[in-house]
Amino acid sequence: DTGVSQDPRHKITKRGQNVTFRCDPISEHNRLYWYRQTLGQGPEFLTYFQNEAQLEKSRLLSDRFSAERPKGSFSTLEIQRTEQGDSAMYLCASSPPGAGAYYEQYFGPGTRLTVT
Amino acid sequence: KQEVTQIPAALSVPEGENLVLNCSFTDSAIYNLQWFRQDPGKGLTSLLLIQSSQREQTSGRLNASLDKSSGRSTLYIAASQPGDSATYLCAVMGASGTYKYIFGTGTRLKVLA
Repeated sequence: DTGVSQDPRHKITKRGQNVTFRCDPISEHNRLYWYRQTLGQGPEFLTYFQNEAQLEKSRLLSDRFSAERPKGSFSTLEIQRTEQGDSAMYLCASSPPGAGAYYEQYFGPGTRLTVT
Repeated sequence: KQEVTQIPAALSVPEGENLVLNCSFTDSAIYNLQWFRQDPGKGLTSLLLIQSSQREQTSGRLNASLDKSSGRSTLYIAASQPGDSATYLCAVMGASGTYKYIFGTGTRLKVLA
């Protein structure tokens, strides 16, 4: 079973540009989460998908952010008109269907975004 | 609003010591609590998950306990090794039906050889 993968691992962009990140969850995991982590802080929740439905969005997810999960497989996170404050590590996690211990989340390696 | 606090923020110990890392949370209505390890610049590695009905979980040299009523969890690391050096994060999942984790800011551990 391969783990959660994210692409790209690093992205440097100029302020005002659009960026898109991809996350491939563990096969057959129907839940997918995006988090953002800034230096010295714990990850903060951004959004959650169950299959293809986006069921929760954080207030951190401004209008410049959009996430999709077509067909309930991979997910993309797009940031439009990037700002320096968007510089962070973007983490994706997935968990399998079921309750209890099945809510355990498995994280990918993250995408490090630097906005110059 | 759930808040998660981890103490200490940083810890430096000689190899071989037994360690206790602390995590506290303000809302005891939790579903799960999960401990993670994070190496610099990397993603998170799951260490242990404790469901709300459980009191502790063990994996190798790691033992995590949960006292839901007092809003506390501890991660015990036995016989620490330099390879244990990393940041340890505690995360809680609320019982309200949302499946997101609220994370603490972590404890940065350095084990000296």
